[in-house]
Amino acid sequence: ETGVTQTPRHLVMGMTNKKSLKCEQHLGHNAMYWYKQSAKKPLELMFVYNFKEQTENNSVPSRFSPECPNSSHLFLHLHTLQPEDSALYLCASSQDSTDYTFGSGTRLTVV
Amino acid sequence: EDQVTQSPEALRLQEGESSSLNCSYTVSGLRGLFWYRQDPGKGPEFLFTLYSAGEEKEKERLKATLTKKESFLHITAPKPEDSATYLCAVQARNNDMRFGAGTRLTVKP
Repeated sequence: ETGVTQTPRHLVMGMTNKKSLKCEQHLGHNAMYWYKQSAKKPLELMFVYNFKEQTENNSVPSRFSPECPNSSHLFLHLHTLQPEDSALYLCASSQDSTDYTFGSGTRLTVV
Repeated sequence: EDQVTQSPEALRLQEGESSSLNCSYTVSGLRGLFWYRQDPGKGPEFLFTLYSAGEEKEKERLKATLTKKESFLHITAPKPEDSATYLCAVQARNNDMRFGAGTRLTVKP
């Protein structure tokens, strides 16, 4: 495996479900990010982790809960989501805030 | 506040018809300007980084240029496989990254 891997690629969940998105980076980078991408809108930064420590939380609702157990893995735990949370969720990694590399994303649909 | 505006929102070209995509920005101290290509259902793929006004970079049919207020991505003699969404992002000196909404390019054979 190379680069940044995200699973699952697609996810459909009901508003009462709990699910998790997974991201793994194989680049030896020291920072990882969650972004939300909605149609015709710029990427929105959600969370930043540097060396496993969360350094940024961009006023994201508490129904999104990140977890970074080590510098290679990042999770986004989802619960009681709303239909407007449907989007492409992208994970990225960087080394000292350079060389941003993105995963292929998880297409989330909330029904 | 840092801002990135890309235009046009969508662009349709005939194969071989050269054109340019625009990225206008305001940032409190530019660390770098980035261009990415994004195919449907995939994450953004890095194309170029530009650091200072006057800098240019080329890759195959693509050429990126930078001024103090904007960047252009010039596409020369595009092919259908160049169809994608092109994203621009600026990074400020505090390392904050801000993305534009993208230009969706379609190249017809």
